[in-house]
Parts: sequence; structure tokens; C-alpha cells
Amino acid sequence: EAAVTQSPRNKVTVTGGNVTLSCRQTNSHNYMYWYRQDTGHGLRLIHYSYGAGNLQIGDVPDGYKATRTTQEDFFLLLELASPSQTSLYFCASSAGTEVFFGKGTRLTVV
Amino acid sequence: GDSVTQTEGPVTLSEGTSLTVNCSYETKQYPTLFWYVQYPGEGPQLLFKVPKANEKGSNRGFEATYNKEATSFHLQKASVQESDSAVYYCALGENQGGRALIFGTGTTVSVSP
Repeated sequence: EAAVTQSPRNKVTVTGGNVTLSCRQTNSHNYMYWYRQDTGHGLRLIHYSYGAGNLQIGDVPDGYKATRTTQEDFFLLLELASPSQTSLYFCASSAGTEVFFGKGTRLTVV
Repeated sequence: GDSVTQTEGPVTLSEGTSLTVNCSYETKQYPTLFWYVQYPGEGPQLLFKVPKANEKGSNRGFEATYNKEATSFHLQKASVQESDSAVYYCALGENQGGRALIFGTGTTVSVSP
């Protein structure tokens, strides 16, 4: 069974704060993704990666950085969090076609 | 660019009735089409995929036909159960893989007993 683990599952931070969301996959997949999910918008791609050290820009990258340190680990960084970044964030991995998702991190910026 | 449009929700049904969630797509490629389902507190998971035009996919009583001429991929189930309550996402992906799937906005389906 493909496994994508996100941490933390819930996070509250203040406006202007610094937040790192973590993701680890044990699927040996090359591709990893960060999405945000918002009512009325569905799943929107923030950043993705083909492998360690690689980063590609998604559709809604503003205000986010990401880093892929190993094949297994992909991090999403919010260096100056804003209330508009309050959302449910999903990490996912893929070998090329089917995408496997984690359970999500709910981030609230107050 | 590529896009996916699906039925706006919420869709509310009674057990035993039929479900249709419409999905239309735009692309210049020859994509694989997907239906994902998301239960409360979980991430989306694959319901089924169809890689070729004019073929049908199915799983757990749900089915959809990849209609290239109409650029549609409508999800149907003849008789829904309360356990089918979830958010359903239509998505398209390039057959070359890698580039992330493009998702529709999702359709919330609620089935009452």
C-alpha cells in the first residue's frame, strides 16, 4: 500500500509567522506534489518535484517555497504566513500516472 | 491550457436513487482521465482511471466512459448508498506522466438513508 505521511496534521500560526509543512513518502516514487484545497477551488497545485534537489512551480506558487531534500522528503515553507494561506494542504506522490495523497495538514493563519 | 469542469455541488440524494456527476475537459493532448473520491478526514484516493478514448472504467458500482468526441467523462452509479457520501473529483493527466493531474473543483455528494 502506497504511503504518504504528512506532519503536522493541524497547525495554527500568526500572520507573518514562519511555517514548515513536512511530507514523507515510502513509495519510491520520483514525483511529489503539494496541493492546497479550498471550497470552490478544489485542488490547486502549489509546487512539485521530479526528484531530490528538483523543484517545479505549480499553478498557485506565490507565498510558498518548497524543497525536496531526498527522494522521500518534500517540504512546503511559508516564510511570511498570511490569512489567505489558511487552507487544507495535501502532499502527494506518483510514479507517473496515479497520484497517492496523504491525509492533509490543516493550516490556520490568524 | 488544460482544464476540467464538473457538476457544482452539493448534490443531495436518497439511498437507492441514481447519481450522475458531469465532467467535461479541455486539452490538446491525449490524456488519461480519472475519478478520485475523498471521504471526510482523508486525502483523495483513486476511484478508477481510463487511459484510452471510448473505453469505460468502473469500480464499486461507479462507472464512466471516456468520450473523446464530446470531451466528457461523466460519473454514474445506478443505486447509491449512504457510504457513497463524499467529494468526487474528475481529473486529467498527460500520458507521459510526471506533470501533476489537473483536477476539477470537486462535487460534494450527500446520500441520506
